[in-house]
Amino acid sequence: KAGVTQTPRYLIKTRGQQVTLSCSPISGHRSVSWYQQTPGQGLQFLFEYFSETQRNKGNFPGRFSGRQFSNSRSEMNVSTLELGDSALYLCASSLGDTGTDTQYFGPGTRLTVL
Amino acid sequence: KQEVTQIPAALSVPEGENLVLNCSFTDSAIYNLQWFRQDPGKGLTSLLLIQSSQREQTSGRLNASLDKSSGRSTLYIAASQPGDSATYLCAVFDSWGKLQFGAGTQVVVTP
Repeated sequence: KAGVTQTPRYLIKTRGQQVTLSCSPISGHRSVSWYQQTPGQGLQFLFEYFSETQRNKGNFPGRFSGRQFSNSRSEMNVSTLELGDSALYLCASSLGDTGTDTQYFGPGTRLTVL
Repeated sequence: KQEVTQIPAALSVPEGENLVLNCSFTDSAIYNLQWFRQDPGKGLTSLLLIQSSQREQTSGRLNASLDKSSGRSTLYIAASQPGDSATYLCAVFDSWGKLQFGAGTQVVVTP
């Protein structure tokens, strides 16, 4: 089975721009979660989508948004980029039935904001 | 608010020694706990998931224990190898299904 894939792997943007990241989960998985990883804050939960609905949300500003499609693929959008948004963005997929089952992570998208 | 702590932050052992990695959490009302490894600049690789009703879980050279009452989990890696060098992260599921991560323990296994 193919693992979780994320595109693009690297992005360089300037302040004020917006960006869209994509995540394709493992086949059969219906839950996709997004995390931000920075050296200072570690791994922080952004949001989770299950069957096209946002099921959980972390403490991030409204500039961070996401969506999930009927094939379970998910996108994350960040508008009005700030320097502090530079991070590794990771998505994780799971079966999603219980909300607490094994999470499988993708390789991440490295976003640099200049 | 759940806080997850991993001590030590870094660890260096000679090849062949057993590794013992600690994880503590403040709220014992967790659901499941998952251990990951992360290689530099890469994503997370799932190692083990321990359900809240379990006391331990084993996979090959890896063994993880869970003591909810004391708020602790321990990951044991037997007979360490240089390929085990990585950062090891533990994460607990809260009641909302969110993973709360520790800061990780960076492990170096020297040949």
